[in-house]
Amino acid sequence: DAKTTQPTSMDCAEGRAANLPCNHSTISGNEYVYWYRQIHSQGPQYIIHGLKNNETNEMASLIITEDRKSSTLILPHATLRDTAVYYCIVRVAGAGSYQLTFGKGTKLSVIP
Amino acid sequence: DTAVSQTPKYLVTQMGNDKSIKCEQNLGHDTMYWYKQDSKKFLKIMFSYNNKELIINETVPNRFSPKSPDKAHLNLHINSLELGDSAVYFCASSPPGSLRETQYFGPGTRLLVL
Repeated sequence: DAKTTQPTSMDCAEGRAANLPCNHSTISGNEYVYWYRQIHSQGPQYIIHGLKNNETNEMASLIITEDRKSSTLILPHATLRDTAVYYCIVRVAGAGSYQLTFGKGTKLSVIP
Repeated sequence: DTAVSQTPKYLVTQMGNDKSIKCEQNLGHDTMYWYKQDSKKFLKIMFSYNNKELIINETVPNRFSPKSPDKAHLNLHINSLELGDSAVYFCASSPPGSLRETQYFGPGTRLLVL
């Protein structure tokens, strides 16, 4: 799995867009970018994933640069409930080891 | 309806005891996992089961023994509990194939060994 680099922490004002970056400069052509989050005292929650194209679902949008070396998770209108640790994971879908490798993630604090 | 459930939510026990944590998923998934999150919040895989068969057994002491009676259940039995076993244990499940990385996690079991 390609290594990822995320900022340790970020703040975002409630109601504003939260943009969480992830660098994955060694990503290979068949590796996807996955985003999870862990709200305090809860289990991790899958958010979104993508390969090349930008993706959007009811929770967030994922913007992947053209060279695929970095991506940004966007929470369009952050709420206090979005305060969590956000993990960016890069790996080949459905292949290799049956596990997710979680790094340290980004602690997002949404401020009233 | 809870997709992945774990029991108990909290477990406080003495060193040397044997305890079990149960996990059930009602998503129809074939693959289930146990993860451990330590006091520093690092989340690490312990075991993976696919169709009731062990796929991954990371460097985990053999005091930890997973049991999968059927595809919907993956229980974790721990013998001779030690202080260092104190952590939060998360069960997860996932669909097969290319969606395997979209894992669904349970609420966690907070184990405290005294």
